[in-house]
Amino acid sequence: SQTIHQWPATLVQPVGSPLSLECTVEGTSNPNLYWYRQAAGRGLQLLFYSVGIGQISSEVPQNLSASRPQDRQFILSSKKLLLSDSGFYLCAWSRRGAEKLFFGSGTQLSVL
Amino acid sequence: AQRVTQPEKLLSVFKGAPVELKCNYSYSGSPELFWYVQYSRQRLQLLLRHISRESIKGFTADLNKGETSFHLKKPFAQEEDSAMYYCALASGGSYIPTFGRGTSLIVHP
Repeated sequence: SQTIHQWPATLVQPVGSPLSLECTVEGTSNPNLYWYRQAAGRGLQLLFYSVGIGQISSEVPQNLSASRPQDRQFILSSKKLLLSDSGFYLCAWSRRGAEKLFFGSGTQLSVL
Repeated sequence: AQRVTQPEKLLSVFKGAPVELKCNYSYSGSPELFWYVQYSRQRLQLLLRHISRESIKGFTADLNKGETSFHLKKPFAQEEDSAMYYCALASGGSYIPTFGRGTSLIVHP
């Protein structure tokens, strides 16, 4: 069966520090991968998605970047965190050509 | 551009009462509509999709193209239905769902 792992579960970082959130998928090949941010009252905002290794599409301009160094690994990064980067980040995957998403457990990021 | 609107941030009902979570969308083509649910301390997960035409945990949702709506309904709410519900749309050719802002459903005993 397929599983998705996301870590860490919680993270507290000072403003200006770097960020690296990691997401891995097991039990499937060539998944589509996604990073969403979940903010209270604002719903789920798509940040990045990837259809293959090294292929990243950004949905919104921001302080964050994403990379896909391996088929089932998706990384969300920042060189310098801003206060506004605080939020709940969700990784998700789907099969090719399918809209159903499978979500990770999320990372609560607090930038202080 | 596709858009999903969930007008209610919070919906509070008593156990046994009917519940309807509203979802409206804007898209000119043929959409694929979904409802996702996130229970407390659990992952966000798919509840149902309109093409399946199924009832999950007593919930149903009918796509109304005339009103561009996909409201989620349950005739008798249960306490365990308390959760955050997200409506999502995926347009033809794009497999990437667009989500609404979510509605928090609270079912009181």
